[in-house]
Amino acid sequence: NAGVTQTPKFRVLKTGQSMTLLCAQDMNHEYMYWYRQDPGMGLRLIHYSVGEGTTAKGEVPDGYNVSRLKKQNFLLGLESAAPSQTSVYFCASSYRLYNPNTGELFFGEGSRLTVL
Amino acid sequence: QKEVEQDPGPLSVPEGAIVSLNCTYSNSAFQYFMWYRQYSRKGPELLMYTYSSGNKEDGRFTAQVDKSSKYISLFIRDSQPSDSATYLCAMRMDNTGNQFYFGTGTSLTVIP
Repeated sequence: NAGVTQTPKFRVLKTGQSMTLLCAQDMNHEYMYWYRQDPGMGLRLIHYSVGEGTTAKGEVPDGYNVSRLKKQNFLLGLESAAPSQTSVYFCASSYRLYNPNTGELFFGEGSRLTVL
Repeated sequence: QKEVEQDPGPLSVPEGAIVSLNCTYSNSAFQYFMWYRQYSRKGPELLMYTYSSGNKEDGRFTAQVDKSSKYISLFIRDSQPSDSATYLCAMRMDNTGNQFYFGTGTSLTVIP
């Protein structure tokens, strides 16, 4: 099992450019999440999805859009990148019900985005 | 005030030391408490979890929850250089839904 896979792992954008981060999970998880991680700020939830075709806003959704057309994929889009969106982005997935035998959130390895 | 507070460190200890990592929280509704370990340039991975108050031990790691004080701890015994990582506490209110509340993480270095 690959777990949670994020692509690309690194990207440099210019202000105003657009891009999409792709997250794929092979664990048949219902829930998927996009977080950003910044120094001193910890993990902040951008958007999440509780199932195929559904998305919802998290703590810091402005400037981002998401889509979940297939259960295994969760896309994060930046329509017009800004320097404030320079960050490390983590995708995560989980089962709908907490199961201590299988763990909680499963994270990808992160996507490092720099906006110049 | 943040829901979850965690001292960012950095914390540096010699190999073999006992390490204590802590988080405080403000919401008494939290019931599930977790510790994630994050190596440099990697994603967080679940290390320990605890439900409600009490202790849980797994090898060299012990997680403690004191709900009366709204305080959780992670103890690492006989620390190893491979324990060098950032440790994030996390918590949630129930076993459904999507709300995980994370601390900002404590950076730990174990010196050989």
